[in-house]
Amino acid sequence: GAVVSQHPSRVICKSGTSVKIECRSLDFQATTMFWYRQFPKQSLMLMATSNEGSKATYEQGVEKDKFLINHASLTLSTLTVTSAHPEDSSFYICSATRTGQDGYTFGSGTRLTVV
Amino acid sequence: SQQGQEDPQALSIQEGENATMNCSYKTSINNLQWYRQNSGRGLVHLILIRSNEREKHSGRLRVTLDTSKKSSSLLITASRAADTASYFCATVLSGSRLTFGEGTQLTVNP
Repeated sequence: GAVVSQHPSRVICKSGTSVKIECRSLDFQATTMFWYRQFPKQSLMLMATSNEGSKATYEQGVEKDKFLINHASLTLSTLTVTSAHPEDSSFYICSATRTGQDGYTFGSGTRLTVV
Repeated sequence: SQQGQEDPQALSIQEGENATMNCSYKTSINNLQWYRQNSGRGLVHLILIRSNEREKHSGRLRVTLDTSKKSSSLLITASRAADTASYFCATVLSGSRLTFGEGTQLTVNP
């Protein structure tokens, strides 16, 4: 079945630094990848949609200069949290799909803690 | 904003009992999907039901869809402690954007 690998699973960083999270589709070409954010005991909030080779589309209220998304190939998308602050501490999850497929495959998530 | 709303928010049952979770959504859909999330983990796809389907089964899971009421339900029969997790319904908006309901936290007590 389709597998999406997300790294790192946990990261702790200092305020003001940047953190990069990777999302890779291992056995299929992901035409579209999505990034979500989840606070404790809450649902997943869609942050942005990224299509290979084009700029990401951000949801309303998500700062594109703070959450940089790159989808350089059909198997890799990255989310960089720039100038991280404690309020950016959250669980970030990616998912991937491909044209003609109904299902979405999710990464295992990244727990970001900003201290 | 969230596309779907689920109830109950939390459900606690004994092993062997059935668990029913409900989901309502706002816009027209092509399909509705249910996912499971164990605490602090990614999501696992459980079942997809298309808009022209009314009921679908997969093992101990039964999903219904009522497009006239814009609602769906997920039934887990003969629950097990290992079913303890959060369950989310999800629908696809424009641009293939999958958006989630608020979720139901299910606890199955041994």
